[in-house]
Amino acid sequence: GAGVSQSPSNKVTEKGKDVELRCDPISGHTALYWYRQSLGQGLEFLIYFQGNSAPDKSGLPSDRFSAERTGGSVSTLTIQRTQQEDSAVYLCASSPTSGRAYEQYFGPGTRLTVT
Amino acid sequence: GNSVTQMEGPVTLSEEAFLTINCTYTATGYPSLFWYVQYPGEGLQLLLKATKADDKGSNKGFEATYRKETTSFHLEKGSVQVSDSAVYFCALYTGTASKLTFGTGTRLQVTL
Repeated sequence: GAGVSQSPSNKVTEKGKDVELRCDPISGHTALYWYRQSLGQGLEFLIYFQGNSAPDKSGLPSDRFSAERTGGSVSTLTIQRTQQEDSAVYLCASSPTSGRAYEQYFGPGTRLTVT
Repeated sequence: GNSVTQMEGPVTLSEEAFLTINCTYTATGYPSLFWYVQYPGEGLQLLLKATKADDKGSNKGFEATYRKETTSFHLEKGSVQVSDSAVYFCALYTGTASKLTFGTGTRLQVTL
C-alpha cells in the first residue's frame, strides 16, 4: 500500500513569506507526527495529532508555527513570516495508534530553504 | 528530560568490516529503544527495537542490546555492505509522551 507522502518535496521561499507543508498519512493511521531535521540537530519533535486533535504541541518552536489536521487524515504545517533558521527538512510520520508510537512510518520529507 | 547521544560521524568502513555505532540515553522511567535508518533519498525506516532491559533487537544482520546498567543501545553489524551506507538514528520512547526522542544521527559510508 501507499506510504506517507509529503508535498512539496522541496520549497524555496524568501524570508518573511508564509509556507504550507502537506502530509498525507497512511490510510487508517490515527496518529500523525511532525518532526524537523536540521543540520547537526537530529530530529526535533514538533507536534502530534491523535485524530484531528493535537494533545501535544510542545515542540512547536514559536507562534509562527501552526498545524492542523482535517478528517483524521491530511495534515498541514504552516510557518508564517519564515526566518532563515526555519530552513530544515520537515518530516511527517504516522502510526496506527498512539500507544504504539514507535511504529512510526515516515514520509520522505519536505526540504525548506529560506533565503 | 529525555535525550539520546550518538557517536558523531561520518563513519567510513570498507566492505565486510565490523560496525559499531554507539548510542547512550537519558530517560525517566523505562524507555523502549530503537534504531532507525535513512537511506539516501528515502524516508526514515525502523531498523530494530528493544522494549526492555537485556532485550536484543535484530534485523538485516544488525543487532543492538538494551543495556540498562550502562544506559546504552549500541548498533553492531559483523560485516557491512556498500548497501548499508545510510544515516542511522538512535531513538527512545517512554510512553509518557507519544513521541520519539532521536539522536543526531550517524552517517555510515561503506566503500569497496
